[in-house]
Amino acid sequence: GQQVMQIPQYQHVQEGEDFTTYCNSSTTLSNIQWYKQRPGGHPVFLIQLVKSGEVKKQKRLTFQFGEAKKNSSLHITATQTTDVGTYFCAGVKPNDYKLSFGAGTTVTVRA
Amino acid sequence: DGGITQSPKYLFRKEGQNVTLSCEQNLNHDAMYWYRQDPGQGLRLIYYSQIVNDFQKGDIAEGYSVSREKKESFPLTVTSAQKNPTAFYLCASLRSGVANYGYTFGSGTRLTVV
Repeated sequence: GQQVMQIPQYQHVQEGEDFTTYCNSSTTLSNIQWYKQRPGGHPVFLIQLVKSGEVKKQKRLTFQFGEAKKNSSLHITATQTTDVGTYFCAGVKPNDYKLSFGAGTTVTVRA
Repeated sequence: DGGITQSPKYLFRKEGQNVTLSCEQNLNHDAMYWYRQDPGQGLRLIYYSQIVNDFQKGDIAEGYSVSREKKESFPLTVTSAQKNPTAFYLCASLRSGVANYGYTFGSGTRLTVV
């Protein structure tokens, strides 16, 4: 079945630095979504990417969808303590309704 | 405000007992989902329903059952057949047919088998 792999599993970042988390699917996706889960909380939808090569920005967060629609990345610039949490990517196969989640990247920030 | 309500927040169960987790939404969403989250793992799909009175198994349905008698409600029963039920359970809903909308999640139920 479809697998969505996400790396790294953990990211320890100095406040003010940038980092990137990567998501790779074994199959072509119709779209990919990103979620953030704060410690002790539930996942919250951040964004959806649909088009090949698509790039979207939300303030300090930049999301990319690969040309082959099999990979995606989330880049955060100037990390802040509010960025702490686990970031999940989740892919949808064509003609499917189900999301397949990656294992997530858990981000901690050193002040 | 609209949203998804899961109850209870924490639940303790003895081995061999069935337990039902509640999920109610007032978002008028058609599709509802149950996910299980374990430490260090992503969310795994248990069951989903795209319309009232219909539901499908997800990737890890064994030991679980659901019903969808009303659009607003999608309860999950964890049966005694589930070998490792201790986990964080998340219910979600989706507004069908609208682009750029992701899942809305409830705040979850933490189930512990004692």
